Amino acid sequence: SQQGEEDPQALSIQEGENATMNCSYKTSINNLQWYRQNSGRGLVHLILIRSNEREKHSGRLRVTLDTSKKSSSLLITASRAADTASYFCATGPTNDYKLSFGAGTTVTVRA
Amino acid sequence: DAGVIQSPRHEVTEMGQEVTLRCKPISGHNSLFWYRQTMMRGLELLIYFNNNVPIDDSGMPEDRFSAKMPNASFSTLKIQPSEPRDSAVYFCASSPLANLYNEQFFGPGTRLTVL
Repeated sequence: SQQGEEDPQALSIQEGENATMNCSYKTSINNLQWYRQNSGRGLVHLILIRSNEREKHSGRLRVTLDTSKKSSSLLITASRAADTASYFCATGPTNDYKLSFGAGTTVTVRA
Repeated sequence: DAGVIQSPRHEVTEMGQEVTLRCKPISGHNSLFWYRQTMMRGLELLIYFNNNVPIDDSGMPEDRFSAKMPNASFSTLKIQPSEPRDSAVYFCASSPLANLYNEQFFGPGTRLTVL
């Protein structure tokens, strides 16, 4: 069963705008990860945030984690056409190798 | 590093036929995962191995599915007999054992179509 649930399911923005997507989960986690999937490709790891962290940055990506609300957000700033993809959150439980993936948010960046 | 390698990239077969999907994990990675992705069910974990040993196969849908990892550099996922509802993209992923935060590295996937 899917632990993480992304919101919205789909997002369409203009190039240069920011894109924000959210992930909610149900049980305690060790970490939360975000992955990107371009059409017809495998998933690519973007960023990992640990349960004791609240915010993390990587280039144009900003991830927040609120363990009290069991939620995370991914912000992509100054979006580009190449950011068009599906984005998945995955929760990593404690002492287990299994990740639980959400259904994903499909982001379309219009030129 | 070549990354995770999967073959074939595309497979079209007829119902009832045996299908074998192959995966070569990243050298040095000790954990290997098989996933299935469909529009209806999203990304599902089928089975994962740690040091070539199957740890959790609870996601394997039926006895028609089987997976093996004879050595650290090779794994197979077999479907026998295949059915149209098995049509999906199958991903293999690997992860280094030393990484406690289990970031996974995905292969390009095998798109399976069962007619």
